[in-house]
Amino acid sequence: DTEVTQTPKHLVMGMTNKKSLKCEQHMGHRAMYWYKQKAKKPPELMFVYSYEKLSINESVPSRFSPECPNSSLLNLHLHALQPEDSALYLCASTPRDRNRGYNEQFFGPGTRLTVL
Amino acid sequence: AQTVTQSQPEMSVQEAETVTLSCTYDTSENNYYLFWYKQPPSRQMILVIRQEAYKQQNATENRFSVNFQKAAKSFSLKISDSQLGDTAMYFCAFMKPGNTPLVFGKGTRLSVIA
Repeated sequence: DTEVTQTPKHLVMGMTNKKSLKCEQHMGHRAMYWYKQKAKKPPELMFVYSYEKLSINESVPSRFSPECPNSSLLNLHLHALQPEDSALYLCASTPRDRNRGYNEQFFGPGTRLTVL
Repeated sequence: AQTVTQSQPEMSVQEAETVTLSCTYDTSENNYYLFWYKQPPSRQMILVIRQEAYKQQNATENRFSVNFQKAAKSFSLKISDSQLGDTAMYFCAFMKPGNTPLVFGKGTRLSVIA
């Protein structure tokens, strides 16, 4: 298995809903990332998990709550979102090669979120 | 902090021709990685090519090659024999070693014209 999967592909939610995004990889990668991408813009980092621990939080509002229950799974829990939170949410993971320090990021296909 | 600059918001090229996308970056690090990612209309981020800063040899991947000038902090992407499927947004990105996030440029939208 050489890919990062994300579910759902599309999500429409109201401002009072609670929903979750899921990201999964079975490549043994120990770092996982959430990015937010608005149309025609580069991805913006939200969170980094390293060995299942949150290592970077880029001052993301608390209505976004990440979770890393195990080394293969990364969730993003959403609550009380605003219409401006509508975007593509990308998950990525990074392998660790002790010999080469080779750290390419592999991206999932993303979840297109629309907040009404 | 690192910054990545892509000075060409949009470019176009005729099918089968060659095009070069520019990227410059700023860092005080000596060891780092540089990447070009492609994002077609499907919005899947696809790695095109990567370069380790400690390697002097320019990376190549089939029709894609880079011109890496470390002293000038320049990392351009050359696409040879352009194909319609190359139409996409191209992002230049920088990363320090370790589990650190990518720093992206603003992107260059490339259109390949038949």
